[in-house]
Amino acid sequence: GAVVSQHPSWVICKSGTSVKIECRSLDFQATTMFWYRQFPKQSLMLMATSNEGSKATYEQGVEKDKFLINHASLTLSTLTVTSAHPEDSSFYICSAQAGGAVSLSYNEQFFGPGTRLTVL
Amino acid sequence: SQQGEEDPQALSIQEGENATMNCSYKTSINNLQWYRQNSGRGLVHLILIRSNEREKHSGRLRVTLDTSKKSSSLLITASRAADTASYFCATDWEAAGNKLTFGGGTRVLVKP
Repeated sequence: GAVVSQHPSWVICKSGTSVKIECRSLDFQATTMFWYRQFPKQSLMLMATSNEGSKATYEQGVEKDKFLINHASLTLSTLTVTSAHPEDSSFYICSAQAGGAVSLSYNEQFFGPGTRLTVL
Repeated sequence: SQQGEEDPQALSIQEGENATMNCSYKTSINNLQWYRQNSGRGLVHLILIRSNEREKHSGRLRVTLDTSKKSSSLLITASRAADTASYFCATDWEAAGNKLTFGGGTRVLVKP
């Protein structure tokens, strides 16, 4: 149980185009999902917190108009990188958090496998 | 700056040896967690230690927490080649709600 998937696993796009990444909780309902970005050989940096049915909360320095987040259902959140540029190339990881019996602890997040974005 | 800092940044050991890595943080925390990440993959949750706990074990993993020093250590005993990965600590604390803040990570190479 507690599986999170991401699609696509990798994507290559041209500069100026938009890319949508999906994050799904497969066997539980995720009231909160988180989006992280990870550059090569670096740690995960939280980009935004997404709550179902409400606007995402972005971390300082993250452009909300560039990284559009939608959490339309309890099992799906999407991150759209708009007008992508080469500096947006990164590994994007989502995590999902549930309450009740699924989580081993209050703060447990279940991580997706990540999406590798390369912008040419 | 990041809540957690880890050292060493990289560690190379022989199979069978123990690997120890440390994580320091700056604020009071609720929980500290350790994760493993294989190259280009997602994170695997290893162990969670609460702020009122001092030590936890899980298989070949041993985690300690010293809240007075704001530090934690992860020990992997009898390492295997399959333990080759990056290891990250992550903390959460009262003011940040459920958000996790990750340390810089330790890249561990276990040579067969």
